Amino acid sequence: GAGVSQSPSNKVTEKGKDVELRCDPISGHTALYWYRQRLGQGLEFLIYFQGNSAPDKSGLPSDRFSAERTGESVSTLTIQRTQQEDSAVYLCASSPSPGLAVTYEQYFGPGTRLTVT
Amino acid sequence: GQNIDQPTEMTATEGAIVQINCTYQTSGFNGLFWYQQHAGEAPTFLSYNVLDGLEEKGRFSSFLSRSKGYSYLLLKELQMKDSASYLCAVREGNYGQNFVFGPGTRLSVLP
Repeated sequence: GAGVSQSPSNKVTEKGKDVELRCDPISGHTALYWYRQRLGQGLEFLIYFQGNSAPDKSGLPSDRFSAERTGESVSTLTIQRTQQEDSAVYLCASSPSPGLAVTYEQYFGPGTRLTVT
Repeated sequence: GQNIDQPTEMTATEGAIVQINCTYQTSGFNGLFWYQQHAGEAPTFLSYNVLDGLEEKGRFSSFLSRSKGYSYLLLKELQMKDSASYLCAVREGNYGQNFVFGPGTRLSVLP
């Protein structure tokens, strides 16, 4: 399809295990974002990629969280030693090249619902 | 610091008009976006404002006042399918790479 895809759609894991979440952005989109959304709450920014570099990692909540991106394509968000507080929907979004005069919006994937038991 | 405020919940009647307000205080400003998010689904883009004034798009309009740090989303001729959360987001940064989202307003449209 032409949209942003994420996998898995649902993940249930035990506390203390590591998880890896995957995002496939829209082809040609250079910017990629990860957000976390807890139940009934707004979007919490985690990290932003421009190409395969991450100029803004300010939102990562702890050193258990890391992310990488291969070129201008797939990105993975890894959470090590998961905690119950990590339970949330993790949303990925992509957008075209940033530019001051460009009205570019983010296109969101369907999200990965993570449940830590 | 960054702060975006929206009402938590609103209720309106089918066929009516509703205005959802958003106030923001951010370290930079390079545009304001409104997104719609149905329960259990990803947000989808509704509108964008970077200059002061009103942008109209069918039943939806969005207004921006940069001097007041204020925006609103206006929904006309409400339909049941408009029941959703509406997220206000500000794009910051010199190159506009950082988006800050508000908490969202949950709108319920009643028959």
